[in-house]
Amino acid sequence: DIQMTQSPSTLSASVGDRVTITCRASQTISSYLNWYQQKPGRAPKLLIYAASSLQSGVPSRFSGSGSGTDFTLTISSLQPEDFATYYCQQSYSIPGFTFGPGTKVDIK
Amino acid sequence: QVTLKESGPVLVKPTETLTLTCTVSGFSLSNARMGVSWIRQPPGKALEWLAHIFSDDEKSYATSLKSRLTLSKDTSRSQVVLTMTNMDPVDTATYYCARTSYDSFGYYPHFDSWGQGTLVTVSS
Repeated sequence: DIQMTQSPSTLSASVGDRVTITCRASQTISSYLNWYQQKPGRAPKLLIYAASSLQSGVPSRFSGSGSGTDFTLTISSLQPEDFATYYCQQSYSIPGFTFGPGTKVDIK
Repeated sequence: QVTLKESGPVLVKPTETLTLTCTVSGFSLSNARMGVSWIRQPPGKALEWLAHIFSDDEKSYATSLKSRLTLSKDTSRSQVVLTMTNMDPVDTATYYCARTSYDSFGYYPHFDSWGQGTLVTVSS
């Protein structure tokens, strides 16, 4: 099975900061990479699919890039509502749809 | 409007079988570009994908849990049912169902709608 890793596990940032989260797959997954945001007590929310496609309704400050095994999620200017945990997920292989361990973005 | 809602017991005993139902609305389970997955999240931990059912009824299960999981669907009732046998306290988690969508060319599956989740506690 494909394994996913994320770094950092925790990120402390301030409102207005540019934030980058990295995700790595244990083998190539082309662009089959999705990003989700989860706030405490809430279901995850899709932000980015196919590595770089912005889900409808998601603010343009979120962007994704990468292909193969290395991917990034960037928040261009962190807003108060962006403090949350972010998960990457591969959808290249079945069985799979593996999630990464998550990156918590908290207030510096 | 697309909605998914999980239902089932909040408490199960060790060794029992868990049955969870995901009732969907706003889309059809027979839609060729849709599917439903189950995902769980132990308290304070990461998301774990469990199983997926495609529109053609093909199923896929997480390797580590494959022997304990069974998926089925009732298209007429818009329901997907997950059963997990031999429950253990480590299976305590919030269980989510989510809709799988694809891009306009039928590629790049992603979970675009989620249920609210249901917390299942395994304890005697």
